[in-house]
Amino acid sequence: DAKTTQPPSMDCAEGRAANLPCNHSTISGNEYVYWYRQIHSQGPQYIIHGLKNNETNEMASLIITEDRKSSTLILPHATLRDTAVYYCIVRVSGGSYIPTFGRGTSLIVHP
Amino acid sequence: NAGVTQTPKFQVLKTGQSMTLQCAQDMNHEYMSWYRQDPGMGLRLIHYSVGAGITDQGEVPNGYNVSRSTTEDFPLRLLSAAPSQTSVYFCASSLSYGEKLFFGSGTQLSVL
Repeated sequence: DAKTTQPPSMDCAEGRAANLPCNHSTISGNEYVYWYRQIHSQGPQYIIHGLKNNETNEMASLIITEDRKSSTLILPHATLRDTAVYYCIVRVSGGSYIPTFGRGTSLIVHP
Repeated sequence: NAGVTQTPKFQVLKTGQSMTLQCAQDMNHEYMSWYRQDPGMGLRLIHYSVGAGITDQGEVPNGYNVSRSTTEDFPLRLLSAAPSQTSVYFCASSLSYGEKLFFGSGTQLSVL
């Protein structure tokens, strides 16, 4: 499975968009990009996933580059409650794999 | 639906004691797994199961046993606890292998 690289930390002003990058340069054609977040010491929470096309749901938007080697998670209007660690992982849907959660990006949203 | 339920939330053990961390899901998910998370670290996969009666090892299986006798339950057993097993443990499930994961709220385990 492709490995991912994320910046260890980022910060964002409340009400502004938070753009969290992820590099997955070795991604394969059948591997999806998934994003999760972990608030405080709670269990991680699924946010969004995509294969090729950009995706949007009620929580966030996912922009995947055309070559699929990187992606960006966008929180359009960050709130203090979005302060969390965000994990980008790559996984084969329905296939055999061991999902690996790295250290993620610690996002701090400040007033 | 309750989702993924883990018990207990907190546990303190002495070195050498045994215990079982419980995990149950009511979503009829085929895939279940256990992770541990140490301070400042990501999650590391301990064991996983793709269905009742089927289990396999993850990245860090040593010191832990699992079984999957029903679709709903996936207990994690520590046969002889060691201080190195002090960690937060998360159980996760998904509809099938490769789908989005649903996590429990975690068990904070301290081994003295």
